[in-house]
Amino acid sequence: AQRVTQPEKLLSVFKGAPVELKCNYSYSGSPELFWYVQYSRQRLQLLLRHISRESIKGFTADLNKGETSFHLKKPFAQEEDSAMYYCALSADSNYQLIWGAGTKLIIKP
Amino acid sequence: EAGVAQSPRYKIIEKRQSVAFWCNPISGHATLYWYQQILGQGPKLLIQFQNNGVVDDSQLPKDRFSAERLKGVDSTLKIQPAKLEDSAVYLCASSFSVDTQYFGPGTRLTVL
Repeated sequence: AQRVTQPEKLLSVFKGAPVELKCNYSYSGSPELFWYVQYSRQRLQLLLRHISRESIKGFTADLNKGETSFHLKKPFAQEEDSAMYYCALSADSNYQLIWGAGTKLIIKP
Repeated sequence: EAGVAQSPRYKIIEKRQSVAFWCNPISGHATLYWYQQILGQGPKLLIQFQNNGVVDDSQLPKDRFSAERLKGVDSTLKIQPAKLEDSAVYLCASSFSVDTQYFGPGTRLTVL
């Protein structure tokens, strides 16, 4: 079955520290993976997708097919990174997304 | 460009009552999605439209939920009758291409 797992419901780090939000997926084919973010009182929005292989707001994510992971990383956390982060998988021709439960990231000053 | 609009933003009803949610997607977006997000969980797709046709409604509880997109633009999602477990945020999203989905602010439903 297709599944996305975000093992941490809450992650709290100090400002300036590295951040890694974990995402593991279950899918036998070639998935498309996404990270969406929801800042306080804002709507859910796309942060980045693995196909783009770009860095957004200092965040990067590498698809590791061997470990079936798509962890989100940032070397130096900033307070404005505090938000809810969702990992999502697109695994069929209709481009429907299968979502993880989300990780709440808190950056402490 | 204007984003995805949803109304109402909040709704409180008693169980067995009916409720309807409205969504106006971004102009030109052919694909429209309705999601249910229960507290502490990720969004769960209820129904996907392509223009005014249904692409997938396999996770829509059809005994109580219905959705339509008559002219391929606005969409409504209805629950009749509501149950306690329907308390959730209902998200509408739209997309032009096959990748990025743009989300509305959501409607928070509380069923008492």
